[in-house]
Amino acid sequence: QVQLQESGPGLVKPSETLSLTCSVSGDSVSSANNYWSWIRQPPGKGLEWIGFIHYTGRTNQNPSLKSRVTISVDTSKNQFSLELSSVIDADAAVYYCSRLTALGDWYVFDYWGQGTLVTVSS
Amino acid sequence: QSALTQPASVSGSPGQSITISCTGTSSDIGYYNYVSWYQQHPGKAPKLIIYDVSSRPSGVSNRFSGSKSGNTATLTISGLQAEDEADYSCTSYRSSSSTYVFGTGTKVTVL
Repeated sequence: QVQLQESGPGLVKPSETLSLTCSVSGDSVSSANNYWSWIRQPPGKGLEWIGFIHYTGRTNQNPSLKSRVTISVDTSKNQFSLELSSVIDADAAVYYCSRLTALGDWYVFDYWGQGTLVTVSS
Repeated sequence: QSALTQPASVSGSPGQSITISCTGTSSDIGYYNYVSWYQQHPGKAPKLIIYDVSSRPSGVSNRFSGSKSGNTATLTISGLQAEDEADYSCTSYRSSSSTYVFGTGTKVTVL
């Protein structure tokens, strides 16, 4: 059974950098068929795709966040990480990590972490 | 990046059928058949219920079905049950930026 677990500070100060890690079990982040994604959900709002990474290092990000987002992968620890710089109030959200895998004709987010709430406050 | 547009809320009585629309553009929903739908109960992570517009993953009830016309995808829940009360979100691949975009989300209430 594939499981993902987010970890990191639940409180970040404005203008600082948000850092989260996703630990994966039951699958390898080095799997060629999968991409590893970050998705967030502000309180009471819809989901927002942040970006993904492949073990080869290939990444892609939401154009709205691209200048502030860094996604990296650590194959030795079977983890991947998110850094979001210069955080503002609007970055407060539940952050999910997810596996993006091929199903049918394209890719879907099939496994998700439980989510971690990040609050932005000084 | 603009989100796909969904109604904020939809409601129905047990046993009824409801539909949830998801409107995008010719660069996403209208371009590919790569629309998927997710169900999310309060405090829980989203769960995949439809992919490739109308396919169901193993284990998902056949009361959930999907379709697409032009730039709009639709999720139908037939035989509405209390357990269907949740938030539903669509997502699509966007060709213009090679990215993923989610819908604004719809809260389904079972009356």
